[in-house]
Amino acid sequence: NAGVTQTPKFQVLKTGQSMTLQCAQDMNHEYMSWYRQDPGMGLRLIHYSVGAGITDQGEVPNGYNVSRSTTEDFPLRLLSAAPSQTSVYFCASSYSATGGRETQYFGPGTRLLVL
Amino acid sequence: RKEVEQDPGPFNVPEGATVAFNCTYSNSASQSFFWYRQDCRKEPKLLMSVYSSGNEDGRFTAQLNRASQYISLLIRDSKLSDSATYLCVVRTYKYIFGTGTRLKVLA
Repeated sequence: NAGVTQTPKFQVLKTGQSMTLQCAQDMNHEYMSWYRQDPGMGLRLIHYSVGAGITDQGEVPNGYNVSRSTTEDFPLRLLSAAPSQTSVYFCASSYSATGGRETQYFGPGTRLLVL
Repeated sequence: RKEVEQDPGPFNVPEGATVAFNCTYSNSASQSFFWYRQDCRKEPKLLMSVYSSGNEDGRFTAQLNRASQYISLLIRDSKLSDSATYLCVVRTYKYIFGTGTRLKVLA
C-alpha cells in the first residue's frame, strides 16, 4: 500500500494563478480531508469528505474547492491564488466516516508559496 | 473560542523528567480523542488514542475527563527523541486539531 500520496511536494505560484493539489489513498477509506498548517495556527480543516460524491466545508474553506468523484481521490483546487494561501497543505484519510477511533493517515504534505 | 485548545509551550525539560500536557475541547458531542505527534515539517502521526478509562502505552499515559471536557498526556522518563509538537485531536465525525504543544527535551 502506498498509503496517502500528495503531489506536488513543492509549488510556487503567482497571485491569481490556479492550481490543483492532488491527494490519493489506496486504503479504501471513506473519510478524506484537507488541512492547512501555518506557524502558530495548528492544522485547520479546509474541506472534508465522508464518501464519494459528498463533501463539506471545514473551518477555512474560502478560496478552495474540492470534489470527490472516486473513493481514492480528493483533489483540492485553488481558484485564484493569494499570498495568504502560502502554507503547508496536508491531506488525510481514515476508514470510517461516521465517527470512531480510527486514526487518520496523513500524506507528506505540499508546500505552497504564492508570490 | 477554538474548539480544541492547548498550551502552545514550549515546554523545555531535562532528560528523564516527567511532563504533562492538557487540552480542552468545547463540543460535548465529541466521540473520539487522540494525541498525535508532529516532528518539524513532517506530517502528524498518531501517538495514541484516548479512552474514557485512561490508557497507557509504555512511557505515555493518556486520560480523558468528559465531565470537564479535557484530555491529558503524561510522558515519563523523557527522552531526547520525544522532542516534537504534540497535537490534541477531537472527533465528532470530522477531526479537529488543537494548535499543538511544543516539547523540547534537553540533554
